[in-house]
Amino acid sequence: EAAVTQSPRNKVTVTGGNVTLSCRQTNSHNYMYWYRQDTGHGLRLIHYSYGAGNLQIGDVPDGYKATRTTQEDFFLLLELASPSQTSLYFCASRETGGSYEQYFGPGTRLTVL
Amino acid sequence: GDSVTQTEGLVTLTEGLPVMLNCTYQSTYSPFLFWYVQHLNEAPKLLLKSFTDNKRPEHQGFHATLHKSSSSFHLQKSSAQLSDSALYYCALSDEASSSFSKLVFGQGTSLSVVP
Repeated sequence: EAAVTQSPRNKVTVTGGNVTLSCRQTNSHNYMYWYRQDTGHGLRLIHYSYGAGNLQIGDVPDGYKATRTTQEDFFLLLELASPSQTSLYFCASRETGGSYEQYFGPGTRLTVL
Repeated sequence: GDSVTQTEGLVTLTEGLPVMLNCTYQSTYSPFLFWYVQHLNEAPKLLLKSFTDNKRPEHQGFHATLHKSSSSFHLQKSSAQLSDSALYYCALSDEASSSFSKLVFGQGTSLSVVP
């Protein structure tokens, strides 16, 4: 089964702080995704990528940057964190074609005070 | 644009009763539909997908049928178990659009099965 890991698992920061969330997948998947999960809104796509150096804008990108440094690693950057970005963040990966199944990491809970 | 609607935010059922979670969608082209399940403090995982060689997709007793005429992909199970308590997401991927590589998720339905 696909392995997707995220770090840190929990993070607390203050308004205006700088935060980087990390995601690594070890299954040679081309596609990687960043979601946020909030009650009443479900899973919402922030950014995604289909390979190293590629970045696609998702549905809720404001306040977030992302970078895909290698096929394995995808980072989400919050440069001026706000309380509205308090959420549970999931990373996911998918192979090109095939079953189109996305494999999710365990999530990072971010609190912005 | 594409969208997925799950009308029930919370469904509470007695163990042994049938389960039906609603999912309707809007899509310009011919979509693939998915159900993901997320147990408490876990990551979402794929439960079912709509394109399984014209067979009705089934997994862990759950099944769903894609009805293009009504734009629906409801999730069903004949008898609920306590272990089915979880958050269920319906999701859509549009094969003909430029954003085929992403999923659009519904708001999610929380299923609570009680003794």
